[in-house]
Amino acid sequence: QSVLTQPPSASGTPGQRVTISCSGSSSNIGGNFVYWYRQLPGTAPKLLIYRNDQRPSGVPDRFSGSKSDTSASLAISGLRSEDEADYYCATWDNSVNGRVFGGGTKLTVL
Amino acid sequence: EVQLVETGGGLIQPGGSLRLSCAASGFNVPKSYMSWVRQAPGKGLEWVSVIHSGGSTYYADSVKGRFTISRDNSKNTLHLQMNSLRVEDTGVYFCATDDVLGQWLAYWGQGTLVIVSS
Repeated sequence: QSVLTQPPSASGTPGQRVTISCSGSSSNIGGNFVYWYRQLPGTAPKLLIYRNDQRPSGVPDRFSGSKSDTSASLAISGLRSEDEADYYCATWDNSVNGRVFGGGTKLTVL
Repeated sequence: EVQLVETGGGLIQPGGSLRLSCAASGFNVPKSYMSWVRQAPGKGLEWVSVIHSGGSTYYADSVKGRFTISRDNSKNTLHLQMNSLRVEDTGVYFCATDDVLGQWLAYWGQGTLVIVSS
């Protein structure tokens, strides 16, 4: 059971905009940066968003991150079939003194 | 180009020990924040441990007291010593590094599989 709560699944049709939520507490999201990762089956995760809303070089602007109080969200606009993957949020947790991941959200493109 | 290559995985009996290694190239391990992240079969990501550039180390509660993260500066390599292994430690273990821009886990290795079973 992760300290960061994500919906287990999400879905959308090509071209649509979908959002994935990540809910935490004052000891983690509330006081620290949030990071988002995408993992395709059988591969290593890839960093999509860092420090709440920053995109690494090479990540399309279809991906955006936001944070408010103890929750964060990843938005994907112009959904494509290749966006079908597992998405994870992560942050530092002051209570456990370590990094933590959300349980992950499986995104299906219908 | 940053590259991370993990080795050392395998089949081990419960209670046994295993040492994972992560050979790094394209950056300086001693100056980086480096982590181990694992993934049980069919499950999500679980952060295991991090070592900061200054040498501070942090662990997930699930491995505290059993696992030790370290680095060999002369070989630019990260290690994870795993003792008292349990069945629930089974999974793919990834080595990953932050970059200088504060991008957590910006680079990942391909992972090495650890199976703890009798």
